Formats: sequence, structure tokens, C-alpha cells
Amino acid sequence: AQSVTQLDSHVSVSEGTPVLLRCNYSSSYSPSLFWYVQHPNKGLQLLLKYTSAATLVKGINGFEAEFKKSETSFHLTKPSAHMSDAAEYFCVVSGGGYSSASKIIFGSGTRLSIRP
Amino acid sequence: EAQVTQNPRYLITVTGKKLTVTCSQNMNHEYMSWYRQDPGLGLRQIYYSMNVEVTDKGDVPEGYKVSRKEKRNFPLILESPSPNQTSLYFCASSSRYSTGLEQYFGPGTRLTVT
Repeated sequence: AQSVTQLDSHVSVSEGTPVLLRCNYSSSYSPSLFWYVQHPNKGLQLLLKYTSAATLVKGINGFEAEFKKSETSFHLTKPSAHMSDAAEYFCVVSGGGYSSASKIIFGSGTRLSIRP
Repeated sequence: EAQVTQNPRYLITVTGKKLTVTCSQNMNHEYMSWYRQDPGLGLRQIYYSMNVEVTDKGDVPEGYKVSRKEKRNFPLILESPSPNQTSLYFCASSSRYSTGLEQYFGPGTRLTVT
């Protein structure tokens, strides 16, 4: 069974300060993990993904995430927030690929607000 | 341009009136999926399809039907819509060769059932 928990429903930071969005997961398989971003009234866009290669994953727009198996975490970070980062962020776990006939599980989302 | 398209983008309907939301992708992807998005709940998978004529239930399939007669299309059918199906719906697709099933999403369909 798989599950994903986003620990904060809303995070607010000042522009130029670091961003941390927290995600814990559980999976019976070796998981694949993703972060997607959804800007207001838009669809979802892939930020980054972990698929059992390097544990530190770099994504678009300066975001990165670190896979920590011992902590079952996949937290999303950015060193310096920009106003354009204001959006909803989703952590996603899947069971490892097409052959696993995956269900894909989304976290409940974290809304990121940026203060000027 | 590689894309997933959904139609209609907005739909207001009445309880019990059958409707279909279409989804089409031009990337020759094997895997397609439907989600609904509700505030505070993230996206929940309704149905998914591994390939033509192969579909399976996700987490919230009640009240929905799907079919996959062609690789590019994956319509979502609400035979008798009810107000609790008012939601934002997303279709997504993925290649079987994509590690971990990285998905491409459509723009969404906002459905209101009165």
C-alpha cells in the first residue's frame, strides 16, 4: 500500500527567504516520487522527480528535493522564494512504473504564499 | 505540440443528465488517468487505463464510467450526475517507458451539477 502526507496545508514565506515544503511517504515498493506545481486556475506541471537514481533531485525554477529513505521523506526546497512561486504544490508517490499497474497517490497539497 | 486536451473546460448541468468529458493526447502514451480535485483533498484518481481496452478503478470510481477504445482517447462518462460530483477534473497521460509514470496533465474541466 502507498500513501503520502504533506505536513503543511499552507506555508507563507517572505520573498527572498528559503522555502521548505514537507512530504512523507510510505510505499511497499521502491517508490517513484514527484513534486507537481499548480498555479491558480492552471493545470499541473512537473517540478521534479525521484526514480531511484541520485537522492538529491534538481528541478525547474531553482527547486530541489532530497529523498531520505530512513526518514521516508521527500521535502521540497528552494533557497530564495520569488513572488512567482506562489502556487499549490503536490507531492506524489507511484509504485514504480508501468509494470506495477500503478495507482498514483497525491498528497493533499500545500499552498505556498509569498509575502513581498 | 505535445499536449493533453480536455473538453469542455467548463460545464454546468443538472442532476441526472448524462454527460461525457473527452480527453485526448497526441503523445502515443499507453497510460491515461482521470482525477478529481476537491479543496483540501488533493487529486484523487477515478479510473486509469494501462492501454487500449484495459481500464481499472482508482480510489473514487463510484458514479463514473470510462472507456478506452483508441489509444489517444479516454472519455469520462457520468451516467447520472449528482451534486457531489461537482469538482475540477483532470485527465493525464504517461508513457510506459517513463520511469515512475511521470504524467502530463490536461488543463482541467470544471463541472457543476445543480
